[in-house]
Amino acid sequence: NAGVMQNPRHLVRRRGQEARLRCSPMKGHSHVYWYRQLPEEGLKFMVYLQKENIIDESGMPKERFSAEFPKEGPSILRIQQVVRGDSAAYFCASSGGLINEKLFFGSGTQLSVL
Amino acid sequence: QKEVEQDPGPLSVPEGAIVSLNCTYSNSAFQYFMWYRQYSRKGPELLMYTYSSGNKEDGRFTAQVDKSSKYISLFIRDSQPSDSATYLCAMRSNSGYALNFGKGTSLLVTP
Repeated sequence: NAGVMQNPRHLVRRRGQEARLRCSPMKGHSHVYWYRQLPEEGLKFMVYLQKENIIDESGMPKERFSAEFPKEGPSILRIQQVVRGDSAAYFCASSGGLINEKLFFGSGTQLSVL
Repeated sequence: QKEVEQDPGPLSVPEGAIVSLNCTYSNSAFQYFMWYRQYSRKGPELLMYTYSSGNKEDGRFTAQVDKSSKYISLFIRDSQPSDSATYLCAMRSNSGYALNFGKGTSLLVTP
C-alpha cells in the first residue's frame, strides 16, 4: 500500500512535553499538508510544505508549533510544551503538486494530552 | 459566518434509500469542490472532485455544484450499511492551497 503513512497512530503526552508527528507522503508525491481536527470541529488547515520549503503556514498557531519536510525522510509536525487544548486528530495529506491536484489523506495521529 | 456550513446530522436512512447531503458556502472565489468520506478513527477518503458548476456522477454517487446559490450536494443512490460514515464537503479557490472543510454530516444506513 503506497498511501500516505502517518505515525504514531496514537500519541499520549503530559502537559509540557513535546509531541512529534510523522508523515510519509504517497509514493511520487512531494507536497505535504497538515490538518487538525478538533472534537466537534471540521478539519482545519495548518501548513503546506514542499521538500525543504514551507509554502503556506497561515493556519499554524504562532507559538509552539513547527513543521518541516526535509530532503530525506518524512515530514514532521512538532508541538512543543503541549497543553490540553492540543488534543486532537492530526492528519497529513499529500499531492503531486499541481494546483488542481487531489489531496490524499493519511489515517491520522490522535494526540492526547494528559 | 463560517465559510462552509454543513448540517452535522445525524442522518439515519434505511438501506436502499437515496441520501442527499449538502453544504453552503460564502466565498464566491471557491472553484474546486470535493466530498470526502471519513470512517470512525480513519482519515478522509476522497469520493468526488468537481471544478466549478455542474454535475458529476461516479457509480452510486452524484455531486452537484450550484455556484449561483453557493450550494453543493452529494447524492447517494441505493444506500448500503457500508455507506455509514461522516461525509465532509471541502472546497478551495484557484489561488489558495488550503481546503476549507465543513464540519461533516454523520450518516447511518440501517439494514
